[in-house]
Amino acid sequence: TQLLEQSPQFLSIQEGENLTVYCNSSSVFSSLQWYRQEPGEGPVLLVTVVTGGEVKKLKRLTFQFGDARKDSSLHITAAQPGDTGLYLCAGARVMGNKLVFGAGTILRVKS
Amino acid sequence: DAGITQSPRYKITETGRQVTLMCHQTWSHSYMFWYRQDLGHGLRLIYYSAAADITDKGEVPDGYVVSRSKTENFPLTLESATRSQTSVYFCASSVQGSYEQYFGPGTRLTVT
Repeated sequence: TQLLEQSPQFLSIQEGENLTVYCNSSSVFSSLQWYRQEPGEGPVLLVTVVTGGEVKKLKRLTFQFGDARKDSSLHITAAQPGDTGLYLCAGARVMGNKLVFGAGTILRVKS
Repeated sequence: DAGITQSPRYKITETGRQVTLMCHQTWSHSYMFWYRQDLGHGLRLIYYSAAADITDKGEVPDGYVVSRSKTENFPLTLESATRSQTSVYFCASSVQGSYEQYFGPGTRLTVT
């Protein structure tokens, strides 16, 4: 059982469409991160959200941390083929530097 | 700026053999981590280290051994490889007090 549940597991959309990826848990996290991973490479950090209700924007990507710090969402506006990849959410527990990762969402954007 | 490197990038080994995966970082980050990535499971923590000579188990440590004699290196050893250890292994590092981790490119290990 994953501590962090991501949905959907797989998403295939056309260029220009909008999408949202969800990351849910029954546990509280001190912070939550989103990573993007391309085939053959390691995950790369996109953003860290710390405060409940926090919203961060990175160009066409909008990240939100739930008020109770148990869930997060990633919204992409007008998706492009370059957005294709595996998106991972990761939660930080209060103690230590360790992260708990979700299973990931594979996004494919077709041109 | 080399960052964090892993070697080898690809490895095929036989069941029962010992194999060591190397991880090297040039940032002097105090924390280092080893994960395995399998379809449907995401990244699972094997071992981590808070500093040289300080290591601790993660979620899936069985069958693995780590050491950290120097801050910059964190090798992972499979003492007697099994087919269930076929996976992609990622090393990561972070600054003490920060949860932001920086990942290496990964090692794809196949145990036949």
